[in-house]
Amino acid sequence: DTAVSQTPKYLVTQMGNDKSIKCEQNLGHDTMYWYKQDSKKFLKIMFSYNNKELIINETVPNRFSPKSPDKAHLNLHINSLELGDSAVYFCASSQEAQGSNYGYTFGSGTRLTVV
Amino acid sequence: GDSVTQMEGPVTLSEEAFLTINCTYTATGYPSLFWYVQYPGEGLQLLLKATKADDKGSNKGFEATYRKETTSFHLEKGSVQVSDSAVYFCALGHTDKLIFGTGTRLQVFP
Repeated sequence: DTAVSQTPKYLVTQMGNDKSIKCEQNLGHDTMYWYKQDSKKFLKIMFSYNNKELIINETVPNRFSPKSPDKAHLNLHINSLELGDSAVYFCASSQEAQGSNYGYTFGSGTRLTVV
Repeated sequence: GDSVTQMEGPVTLSEEAFLTINCTYTATGYPSLFWYVQYPGEGLQLLLKATKADDKGSNKGFEATYRKETTSFHLEKGSVQVSDSAVYFCALGHTDKLIFGTGTRLQVFP
């Protein structure tokens, strides 16, 4: 069983489109995250949710909107896609208040290519 | 603010060579420290961690010691294998998130 699963694994789309990436974890964790990895492998946090409540919202364009229907799911919706949005997006999860102490479990990533 | 600095790669080694990847950090307080590994086309996997000063994290032959006096958490392995080729990320735990370094690519040749 995959602990943190993301779909799709690859996403190729045109500029201006709207797309969603889904993430699910079966670890019973309370906190979920979205990270963006750019072409130089740099990882930057975008959002985190704890039990469906937004905790972290870094400086991210408001075209990006996370949605957490329950604590096992955190989806990322992106409106009006731009070329600069091309990256690998990673979902992760952790036990509440322990993520920064004991680490996260990451999904395998979604490679988004905007053309 | 808190940050992590890693040595730039790529690090290129022959099989069975000794590996060191340097990592230093800037932080208030005493954060937990981590090494993650990313194999080609995959997500990040936790390799090892240390939660307090002088702790040594170890896994799969890799080791790193939390050095408060030098604010370092260098990754070492005594004898690398081709299968260790990957990108290695140092990270620190900052209240409610992990802050990552820029990653160091390791290439091991037979």
